[in-house]
Formats: sequence, C-alpha cells, structure tokens
Amino acid sequence: EPEVTQTPSHQVTQMGQEVILRCVPISNHLYFYWYRQILGQKVEFLVSFYNNEISEKSEIFDDQFSVERPDGSNFTLKIRSTKLEDSAMYFCATGQTANYGYTFGSGTRLTVV
Amino acid sequence: RKEVEQDPGPFNVPEGATVAFNCTYSNSASQSFFWYRQDCRKEPKLLMSVYSSGNEDGRFTAQLNRASQYISLLIRDSKLSDSATYLCVVRKAAGNKLTFGGGTRVLVKP
Repeated sequence: EPEVTQTPSHQVTQMGQEVILRCVPISNHLYFYWYRQILGQKVEFLVSFYNNEISEKSEIFDDQFSVERPDGSNFTLKIRSTKLEDSAMYFCATGQTANYGYTFGSGTRLTVV
Repeated sequence: RKEVEQDPGPFNVPEGATVAFNCTYSNSASQSFFWYRQDCRKEPKLLMSVYSSGNEDGRFTAQLNRASQYISLLIRDSKLSDSATYLCVVRKAAGNKLTFGGGTRVLVKP
C-alpha cells in the first residue's frame, strides 16, 4: 500500500531555532496538507497546498510558518523561530483527488526545549 | 459550540460485543464525512467514508443524519484489535481541510 513518508520521525530543537519538516507524498497525489496534534488534544489543520500554492490556512499558520514543494516531490513545512508551544506531532496528509479521505504520514514529533 | 463534538469515552467493550457512538457537527454546509482510527501516538488512518444512505464495511456500520447533524459508528463483534481512538471528521467541500473531533476512545477487553 502506498505511503506518505515523513522525516525526521522525531526532532528536538531549541526555542528560537528554525526547523524544516519533510514529507514525500504518494506519487500521484495532488493535494497536500499539514496538520498538527498537541499531546492529548485533537488533530488541527494548518495548511493546504494545491497546484503549487496555498489554498487554505488556519489561524495557527502565522508568519512563522511556510510551506513549499521545492523539487516537485518533497513537501516541506518550515517553522522559522520555534516556540515552546510549537511542540506537537506534525502530520503530512495527501490526497489523490479532492473527493476522498486523505492519507496521513506517520508524523514528526517536534519537541521545542 | 465546537465544530465537531464527540464523547471522549472510554467505552469499555467486552470482546464480541457491539458498541456504537455518535458525533455531532455544527456546520450544516459540511458535505463529506469520515471516520478515522488513531492508535496511541500514531497517525490517523481512514476507516471509512460516511454516505447519506448509510454504509457498511465488514463489522463497521456508519450512519449520517443530516437533519440532526450527527454521524454514528457501530462496531459489531468487537475484536481486541479494535481498541483505538475513533475520530469523527467532516469536510465542507471537496479538497478542503478536514475538521476533526476530539475522538472517542474504545477499549475492547477479553
């Protein structure tokens, strides 16, 4: 079964540092998303990306966050200056079409210290 | 009011029993509905889409009531491996973001 691959699986970073989380979508998928889940809380939407541009973003996705698909395969989430409250599990999700549910990667656990 | 609300549980279920739980959503414009399953510290995995006429996938049955804005999931003949958190998910339109409920925890015990 095709998978969405995320790296790294776990990242520890100091407050104020930049981090880049990487996702390799399923090859024929066109819709890309980032979600996060703070420990013990619900999964929250961050941003959606289609046709090489952001199609929707949440209030969480402020100026400290950015996404790109630099080489047509990897889909990255960058946090410019991490805060303690950015500690969470970050999930990449992709969809082949707009109509069905999306496939989630196994996540990157980000710990900001 | 939360966009998607679920009873957090846990629902303690004897192996082989049937368990059912609901989810309510606030946005009447929601078009697509899903149940995802999440194991502890793992990613959400799509269990099934929920269709207006109701649908079944093996031991799992999902129902949608648009008038009352709720979705249900029923698990028959529960297995130990069904122990997980079940996430109710809605989407306003195709391609749009998924909005998750907080999840219902199910524990199946021998």
